[in-house]
Amino acid sequence: KQEVTQIPAALSVPEGENLVLNCSFTDSAIYNLQWFRQDPGKGLTSLLLIQSSQREQTSGRLNASLDKSSGRSTLYIAASQPGDSATYLCAVCNYGQNFVFGPGTRLSVLP
Amino acid sequence: NAGVMQNPRHLVRRRGQEARLRCSPMKGHSHVYWYRQLPEEGLKFMVYLQKENIIDESGMPKERFSAEFPKEGPSILRIQQVVRGDSAAYFCASSPDGKTATNEKLFFGSGTQLSVL
Repeated sequence: KQEVTQIPAALSVPEGENLVLNCSFTDSAIYNLQWFRQDPGKGLTSLLLIQSSQREQTSGRLNASLDKSSGRSTLYIAASQPGDSATYLCAVCNYGQNFVFGPGTRLSVLP
Repeated sequence: NAGVMQNPRHLVRRRGQEARLRCSPMKGHSHVYWYRQLPEEGLKFMVYLQKENIIDESGMPKERFSAEFPKEGPSILRIQQVVRGDSAAYFCASSPDGKTATNEKLFFGSGTQLSVL
């Protein structure tokens, strides 16, 4: 059974810092991995999707890496801004087409 | 191009009543997923449906919960005889043609917050 964990559970940083969010999964037989952002009281927005054959994906100030063999992914946020404050969720897609989500990291970027 | 639409946004029910949550997928999407998010917990998969078919309901509680996605109209998640433990945010996601196992992102609705009194 796939299990996904994320550390840290919460993170508070001053504006402008670079930061790394971590995601670990127990079953490396995944099809892809997605990072999502969730704002309070709202739905999820997909940020980046990494296929199992890929090592990383980049979008603007975001960079996600994937090391399937070790069951890890990181989300790197460069030059953080207060608008980046949200909960970041990692989700892995197994071959059964179901996404398994981690508990999330609550990020606060202080102005 | 409207996104995934869920309604109502908030639903209040008393114990024993029925709750009906609706989800209209994005235009052109024929695959719908329902997830539940309990306070301070991650999203838990409930059910995956195509039009008129349930593909995977491994995350659905065995009793009181059912889901459908008819040929016409939205997908419905139905909870009968609600209990306080059903209070949660219920999210719907859609994807085109069930290709999520390849390279398709999931698109989520804003969720329905169910509160059981």
